[in-house]
Amino acid sequence: QSALTQPASVSGSPGQSITISCTGTSSDVGGYNYVSWYQQHPGKAPKLMIYEVSNRPSGVSNRFSGSKSGNTASLTISGLQAEDEADYYCSSYTSSSTLGVFGGGTKLTVL
Amino acid sequence: QLQLQESGSGLVKPSQTLSLTCAVSGGSISSGGYSWSWIRQPPGKGLEWIGYIYHSGSTYYNPSLKSRVTISVDRSKNQFSLKLSSVTAADTAVYYCARGVVAATWDYWGQGTLVTVSS
Repeated sequence: QSALTQPASVSGSPGQSITISCTGTSSDVGGYNYVSWYQQHPGKAPKLMIYEVSNRPSGVSNRFSGSKSGNTASLTISGLQAEDEADYYCSSYTSSSTLGVFGGGTKLTVL
Repeated sequence: QLQLQESGSGLVKPSQTLSLTCAVSGGSISSGGYSWSWIRQPPGKGLEWIGYIYHSGSTYYNPSLKSRVTISVDRSKNQFSLKLSSVTAADTAVYYCARGVVAATWDYWGQGTLVTVSS
């Protein structure tokens, strides 16, 4: 069981927007602004898409955005494209001894 | 452009020690401000942080694996390594090395290497 809770799957049509949630506790997501999001295509390494809740690394499309409210962080993808179909993972700093935790991952299907 | 490349045995027998190395190119592993991590992903499952080492040599391990994990750095070869002892089938996974920039954030990843634990 993952420390952070994500929906197992989400789907959307090309051009639409979707949001993936990542729910933790006040000891991780809610307590710190160290939430990041990763995109993983099959057989590939994860790719950093969002860091520190809402910052995009250089080269990442501005269609990807992040936010946080309370103990829940969210990744929003606007203008869905076929290439966005992938697994998405959130991670967060935690004050527990593990220091870093992941969500269980969300499979995004572009219909 | 920083690149990381894992190498090591792809097949390990139960109870033996898994050993992997991550070669870093395009940058120095001794650069301050970064950590160097190992993260794994069992087939069809999610990501699990194993541990990391700072350029100073300080290490931090996932408590669930701490008794079996050792991460070390070889600055002369610009690489860092993972040893996981007493492996079982549950340790079968793709193992990634990655650079940490801030807490729980990794910006560069290796391509990953599949390690299978089987007799």
